[in-house]
Amino acid sequence: QKEVEQDPGPLSVPEGAIVSLNCTYSNSAFQYFMWYRQYSRKGPELLMYTYSSGNKEDGRFTAQVDKSSKYISLFIRDSQPSDSATYLCAMTVTDKLIFGTGTRLQVFP
Amino acid sequence: KAGVTQTPRYLIKTRGQQVTLSCSPISGHRSVSWYQQTPGQGLQFLFEYFSETQRNKGNFPGRFSGRQFSNSRSEMNVSTLELGDSALYLCASSLAGLAGGGNTIYFGEGSWLTVV
Repeated sequence: QKEVEQDPGPLSVPEGAIVSLNCTYSNSAFQYFMWYRQYSRKGPELLMYTYSSGNKEDGRFTAQVDKSSKYISLFIRDSQPSDSATYLCAMTVTDKLIFGTGTRLQVFP
Repeated sequence: KAGVTQTPRYLIKTRGQQVTLSCSPISGHRSVSWYQQTPGQGLQFLFEYFSETQRNKGNFPGRFSGRQFSNSRSEMNVSTLELGDSALYLCASSLAGLAGGGNTIYFGEGSWLTVV
């Protein structure tokens, strides 16, 4: 079993929809949680960074962490075609950064 | 502020050859970590360097190695290339490193390696 599980998608939604992206993890030692966006043939770009259970909002993006359930989510409101990319969750533990496999998101006009 | 710079962006090598990839971190960042990204395995951690010392290593064979210089620039080397080494190799930099907590990790655009 992988330490971090993420639905690979693809996820296809119409413009303006609310998108929910999720990751589950098995290691309770994970301390910091991140979401990255990666466009085709580009490096990952940091979107959100959290370290405690609860919600963190930044514009149209909300990151949610539930440490008791070992579950993190990224919500995108009013999705735009420019949000079409692969979204990767990532977590740190003891000097390592572990990624989910990424979810491909397609937002169509 | 300049971001993380990786060179070369694209390269093609033959099986059995070796390759060296370079990464210049964001100014002031002392941690550089390397990752391999493939469609099948996703993004996998290779190793991290902090102030010229390797802090941690992922589950890769010894053919994969790296080093960091006093100016924080880093290189990774892959010897005796295999077809399965074809991947996007990403470098990331941060102030305090992966265990530092409370700091953000920035990626470069990556080096696309094709082994034929």
